[in-house]
Amino acid sequence: AQSVSQHNHHVILSEAASLELGCNYSYGGTVNLFWYVQYPGQHLQLLLKYFSGDPLVKGIKGFEAEFIKSKFSFNLRKPSVQWSDTAEYFCAVNANTNAGKSTFGDGTTLTVKP
Amino acid sequence: DAGVTQSPTHLIKTRGQQVTLRCSPKSGHDTVSWYQQALGQGPQFIFQYYEEEERQRGNFPDRFSGHQFPNYSSELNVNALLLGDSALYLCASSAGTGISGAFFGQGTRLTVV
Repeated sequence: AQSVSQHNHHVILSEAASLELGCNYSYGGTVNLFWYVQYPGQHLQLLLKYFSGDPLVKGIKGFEAEFIKSKFSFNLRKPSVQWSDTAEYFCAVNANTNAGKSTFGDGTTLTVKP
Repeated sequence: DAGVTQSPTHLIKTRGQQVTLRCSPKSGHDTVSWYQQALGQGPQFIFQYYEEEERQRGNFPDRFSGHQFPNYSSELNVNALLLGDSALYLCASSAGTGISGAFFGQGTRLTVV
């Protein structure tokens, strides 16, 4: 069975600070990896995704994530956060053999102080 | 272009009752997945419908059932409601297998009293 672990429940940063949110997954086969974001009062939105190829993927709003297969990790990064990045971030994984079924982590709440 | 729409937005039911939640997928999407999100947790996969059939199912009891209509819209039914069924129910739509990620609705907040 797949599982996803997000290391931090709540992260507080000041504007312009760098961000890294950890995500580790448990699954032995080929996976597809996602980061979703939920801004206050809004629905979940896809931030970026990884299927294959270059392990460094770039998403919207300056976010990027790096897939490290040997560490079963898919950490989310942003060099300089803005107040508008305040949101909840979810890491998710699905297996190529079971693509419709995504397993989510419990989320990390990011608060950016102006 | 409308995204994923869910109804109702909020619902209060009594233990033992039955509930039906509805979802209209994003235009052009043919696959609907349902998730349950308890407070402080990530969404948990309930099941997925494609071509009017249940294609994938998570670890949820048979009290949870669904349906997909020819226009791709979907319903989630929960029978014999328990207090523990109180959660946010999310509908996600995608094209085909959903391998490229999904579009989520705002969810239905179900409270069982």
